[in-house]
Amino acid sequence: KAGVTQTPRYLIKTRGQQVTLSCSPISGHRSVSWYQQTPGQGLQFLFEYFSETQRNKGNFPGRFSGRQFSNSRSEMNVSTLELGDSALYLCASRQIAGKSYEQYFGPGTRLTVT
Amino acid sequence: DQQVKQNSPSLSVQEGRISILNCDYTNSMFDYFLWYKKYPAEGPTFLISISSIKDKNEDGRFTVFLNKSAKHLSLHIVPSQPGDSAVYFCAASYNNNDMRFGAGTRLTVKP
Repeated sequence: KAGVTQTPRYLIKTRGQQVTLSCSPISGHRSVSWYQQTPGQGLQFLFEYFSETQRNKGNFPGRFSGRQFSNSRSEMNVSTLELGDSALYLCASRQIAGKSYEQYFGPGTRLTVT
Repeated sequence: DQQVKQNSPSLSVQEGRISILNCDYTNSMFDYFLWYKKYPAEGPTFLISISSIKDKNEDGRFTVFLNKSAKHLSLHIVPSQPGDSAVYFCAASYNNNDMRFGAGTRLTVKP
């Protein structure tokens, strides 16, 4: 079974631009969560989508948004980029039933804002 | 709001010895706890978990202990191996909602 894939793996943007990151979950997983990882801060929860609906949301400004498609693939968008948005963005998928707490992470997208 | 805390950013142990990684949480509503391991350039991978109704869960060399009264959990690795060198994240969730992660502890196992 293929794992979680994220594209692109690396991205360099300038302040004020916007960016879209993509995540394809494991086949059969209908929940996709997004996290931001910065040094010393661990993984900060951004949001979770399930069946094309946002299920949970973390404490991030409205510049961070996401969506999920009918095939469970998800995209995350950050508008008006700031230098502090430079981070590793991780996507994770899981089944909602059964061992639903276990998340499977993709390799992440490294975003650098200059 | 840092509801899950890993106060040791790094830990170094000798191969064959025990590694103990600690995690504290503040939200008494958390009902499920997990440990993830992360190698450089890879996403975190699930290691072991424990429900709040238990106080211990063991899987091979890995054991997680939960002390609900102290709001503390720990991961024991015995014996430690060089391949265990990675960043370990503690995570907690309640009612199957979003998961809260700690800042991570970098474990180095020296040969």
